[in-house]
Amino acid sequence: EAQVTQNPRYLITVTGKKLTVTCSQNMNHEYMSWYRQDPGLGLRQIYYSMNVEVTDKGDVPEGYKVSRKEKRNFPLILESPSPNQTSLYFCASSYRDSSYEQYFGPGTRLTVT
Amino acid sequence: KNQVEQSPQSLIILEGKNCTLQCNYTVSPFSNLRWYKQDTGRGPVSLTIMTFSENTKSNGRYTATLDADTKQSSLHITASQLSDSASYICVVSPSYRGSTLGRLYFGRGTQLTVWP
Repeated sequence: EAQVTQNPRYLITVTGKKLTVTCSQNMNHEYMSWYRQDPGLGLRQIYYSMNVEVTDKGDVPEGYKVSRKEKRNFPLILESPSPNQTSLYFCASSYRDSSYEQYFGPGTRLTVT
Repeated sequence: KNQVEQSPQSLIILEGKNCTLQCNYTVSPFSNLRWYKQDTGRGPVSLTIMTFSENTKSNGRYTATLDADTKQSSLHITASQLSDSASYICVVSPSYRGSTLGRLYFGRGTQLTVWP
């Protein structure tokens, strides 16, 4: 089944404790992207990747890191999480770039205390 | 500044009625515009995509229109059903030197509630 998976689905952590949210797709898509969604603000793009070893900033990249060492994986790294990073995070992928239909993962709900 | 504005913020309609959601954007240069449906707590699902040269696109009971001159789009839902209750998000992709890259601009969505 074609899908985008994210892990963990739920995470509660403390300020400053490094964490990684994994994202994996099995559709051989070139494009992958991370978003955060907050009440009243909608979805905002954090980082995106056009292909392996090619990443770029979105709207709100501060406090986040990404890497794309393999085509199927695009992990989101929070080196020192803060409470303002409490949010619902979505990973998505598409065939080549943002003009193609994006397939979203199920979301990761992160709480930083 | 590239922005996407949606209206209304929320809307309540009765089952079987029609409704129209609006999207205005300032993203330039423009590549394409997509409407997504998002159920609470789930990832968005694409409904339609339109490029500069397309005026209208349908997907079942959903019909999207685009006026690239005025930078406006609308999503019309016909004969609404209870399952249409969701957030509808307008997303615009800019172009760069004639190519679409990776950047996307999202509206904040219209929360639609359909009552029986």
